[in-house]
Amino acid sequence: AQSVTQLDSHVSVSEGTPVLLRCNYSSSYSPSLFWYVQHPNKGLQLLLKYTSAATLVKGINGFEAEFKKSETSFHLTKPSAHMSDAAEYFCVVSEGGNRDDKIIFGKGTRLHILP
Amino acid sequence: DGGITQSPKYLFRKEGQNVTLSCEQNLNHDAMYWYRQDPGQGLRLIYYSQIVNDFQKGDIAEGYSVSREKKESFPLTVTSAQKNPTAFYLCASSITGGPDTQYFGPGTRLTVL
Repeated sequence: AQSVTQLDSHVSVSEGTPVLLRCNYSSSYSPSLFWYVQHPNKGLQLLLKYTSAATLVKGINGFEAEFKKSETSFHLTKPSAHMSDAAEYFCVVSEGGNRDDKIIFGKGTRLHILP
Repeated sequence: DGGITQSPKYLFRKEGQNVTLSCEQNLNHDAMYWYRQDPGQGLRLIYYSQIVNDFQKGDIAEGYSVSREKKESFPLTVTSAQKNPTAFYLCASSITGGPDTQYFGPGTRLTVL
């Protein structure tokens, strides 16, 4: 059975410093992995997606994530945080490659940016 | 201007009343989803539909109902049987489902008084 764990419910960083949001998954098959961002009272927006191509995935707004099969991790990083990055971030896993595959959302990590 | 819309943005209802949340997409996507979001719990799947006139229960379908009579529309009814309906409701669509990217609407915040 697949699952996804976001290891931190809240992360605070200073503006201009690196961001690391951690995500671990479990999956019996080759998963598709996503990171979505949600600003307050808004819908979710796709940041980036991994689907068994390059293990380092680049997304929008300077974010990237690395798929590490040996560690079952898909951590989200950004070299330098900006105030506009303050939001909630969701790691998502979809097992296999079929339309019937279940999609599992992590519980989210709220990113706070300190001035 | 393609996208997915939800209305209304805020909705207030008295306890015991049914209420219907609207979700429309003009992306020509086959799959549509309804999620409920509560603080600290992430998104939980209520119902999903992969094709017109067909839909499946998600993890928390009790107290909710849906219909999919048209490809572009997937309304959600919150019935009086739903014990704790106050929440933020998000609708999403994807091309075919499964590992496809989901596109989200702006959400409806339902408050039951």
